[in-house]
Amino acid sequence: QVELVESGGGVVQSGKSLRLSCGASGFTFSNYGMHWIRQAPGKGLEWVAVISFDGKYKYYSDSVKGRLTISRDNSKNSLFLQMSSLRAEDTAVYYCAKDVDSGTYSFDHWGQGTLVTVAS
Amino acid sequence: IQMTQSPASVSASVGDRVTLTCRASQRITRSLNWYQQKPGKAPKFLIYGATSLQSGAPLRFSGSGAGTEFTLTITNLQPEDVGIYYCQQSYNSPWTFGQGTKVEIK
Repeated sequence: QVELVESGGGVVQSGKSLRLSCGASGFTFSNYGMHWIRQAPGKGLEWVAVISFDGKYKYYSDSVKGRLTISRDNSKNSLFLQMSSLRAEDTAVYYCAKDVDSGTYSFDHWGQGTLVTVAS
Repeated sequence: IQMTQSPASVSASVGDRVTLTCRASQRITRSLNWYQQKPGKAPKFLIYGATSLQSGAPLRFSGSGAGTEFTLTITNLQPEDVGIYYCQQSYNSPWTFGQGTKVEIK
């Protein structure tokens, strides 16, 4: 079965950097677009970034553009989110999610999430 | 595209029929998904393409709508249906979610 496991969260000072990882199993990782979606404490869901199956195309929400970078390593079935110039408003649980099919932008499997806390 | 859900919360009895609404700020054809999030858990994919039930989701969940107005209906509400339900448009970037509707049992 599909499994997504995030790691790398923690407490970080404002302005610093952090790298999140998401390990995938149970499906052919290199065939699917992948997303990062976040949820601030007690708040709703916010889509953050997407990367195409081959890594060629990447799109970001305006709130993170220029500060967060999505990448993937298909040889290791892994998805990454490099976070820099972190702000208090980036505090959230970060989920990686699998696209139903490339280009559908619908999220059929989610990881358990990893909490990032940005301390000012 | 802004997604607006109503009501913010609903409390109903076991066995009731519950209807949640999601409105898009512009037409999105049928590019609308629904997710269920139970407390402390990741969201779960329920409905895609406005009306199609995701494999494994209970048959008491159904979706309808097109254009700008969509509904998620839970027939025969069960205790395990407690949680927050989010709609999400998959029409164009950024792929936005509604603010959620909380479903509780009376």
